[in-house]
Amino acid sequence: AQSVTQPDARVTVSEGASLQLRCKYSYSGTPYLFWYVQYPRQGLQLLLKYYSGDPVVQGVNGFEAEFSKSNSSFHLRKASVHWSDSAVYFCVLSAPNVGDNSKLIWGLGTSLVVNP
Amino acid sequence: DTTVKQNPRYKLARVGKPVNLICSQTMNHDTMYWYQKKPNQAPKLLLFYYDKILNREADTFEKFQSSRPNNSFCSLYIGSAGLEYSAMYLCASSRDGTGVYEQYFGPGTRLTVL
Repeated sequence: AQSVTQPDARVTVSEGASLQLRCKYSYSGTPYLFWYVQYPRQGLQLLLKYYSGDPVVQGVNGFEAEFSKSNSSFHLRKASVHWSDSAVYFCVLSAPNVGDNSKLIWGLGTSLVVNP
Repeated sequence: DTTVKQNPRYKLARVGKPVNLICSQTMNHDTMYWYQKKPNQAPKLLLFYYDKILNREADTFEKFQSSRPNNSFCSLYIGSAGLEYSAMYLCASSRDGTGVYEQYFGPGTRLTVL
């Protein structure tokens, strides 16, 4: 069965600190992976995506994520967080079915609080 | 332009009354989705249109209806709102429904049922 696990419901860091938000997935094939972010009172925005190739993908606002097939992980990182990064971050898996419809598999989200 | 628009942004409804939410996109995407999101939960897929074909999730089949009069617009209709419908409703669109392409989300409509 396909699943996404974000083991940390809430992460608190100080402004300027480095950040890693963890994501583990379960899928027998090669997944398409996304990180979405929901800022307060806003909709969901795509941070970055991984389809294939270089396992480290760059996203917006200095975020990057690293895909590891051996660890079934897709952790999100940022070298130095800003208070405006406070939001809820969702790790999402897509199992593409070419010629058919596919649904996204969502993690439960990690709430990031950045203290000024 | 990767904008998905939703109207209204906030909706107050009475129990038992109908609710109609609107979504539009100008990216010529084949697939449009509606999700329900409650606090501290992941978005829950309610239904999606691939072109003119409506697919509704089994557990919400009878609670939500939708229409897509053209490629750009999609509505979500609740015939009789209950307290449990209070949530954020997110519309999204994607180039197709295969899962290869990312979904673009609108800002959401916050529905409060009293």
